[in-house]
Amino acid sequence: DGGITQSPKYLFRKEGQNVTLSCEQNLNHDAMYWYRQDPGQGLRLIYYSQIVNDFQKGDIAEGYSVSREKKESFPLTVTSAQKNPTAFYLCASSTAQREESFGPGTRLTVL
Amino acid sequence: KNQVEQSPQSLIILEGKNCTLQCNYTVSPFSNLRWYKQDTGRGPVSLTIMTFSENTKSNGRYTATLDADTKQSSLHITASQLSDSASYICVVSKGSGTYKYIFGTGTRLKVLA
Repeated sequence: DGGITQSPKYLFRKEGQNVTLSCEQNLNHDAMYWYRQDPGQGLRLIYYSQIVNDFQKGDIAEGYSVSREKKESFPLTVTSAQKNPTAFYLCASSTAQREESFGPGTRLTVL
Repeated sequence: KNQVEQSPQSLIILEGKNCTLQCNYTVSPFSNLRWYKQDTGRGPVSLTIMTFSENTKSNGRYTATLDADTKQSSLHITASQLSDSASYICVVSKGSGTYKYIFGTGTRLKVLA
């Protein structure tokens, strides 16, 4: 899991609620990423950030939002607009040489 | 289109046996290729990373090969252990563009006693 922490490990949400997933890294990596993983599928990119105060949409950004106010932190908010949010969410960070490290993940379940 | 395809989708082997997982890619331009091991409910952990000029790299019982001409990679696991049961993901990094990682869907390996 390296120097990346995600919290909480498990998260339950009622329909219509927004929730925020935390991701913190102490690796001094410039780039950070959020992925979604569904059973039998590869990781899909939600958002990524190459530097502080800047982020880009990935392939499945609809219904999600992020912020990058600090180099160490890249929180992901799953909004009520996300139609099927139940999934395993992975945060990652990387160096300029693109050596990517992943966090332990957060499993979100919508009740 | 940039794609990474892995085979087989799943594999069951007996403890102590060897196995080989395959990864074919069409990513261009190519920067590097990595193999990750992902235990159920955990984040992926890097096993090997290879650049264009490297054609083999080992990490303990894991040996990855890369043929940049045919755009194929393999991960060979020697003397499998129960703890090798996991998903193995091949990831190819592009040499250009702002977002560079193309993920395969993984091979799910089950090692039986």
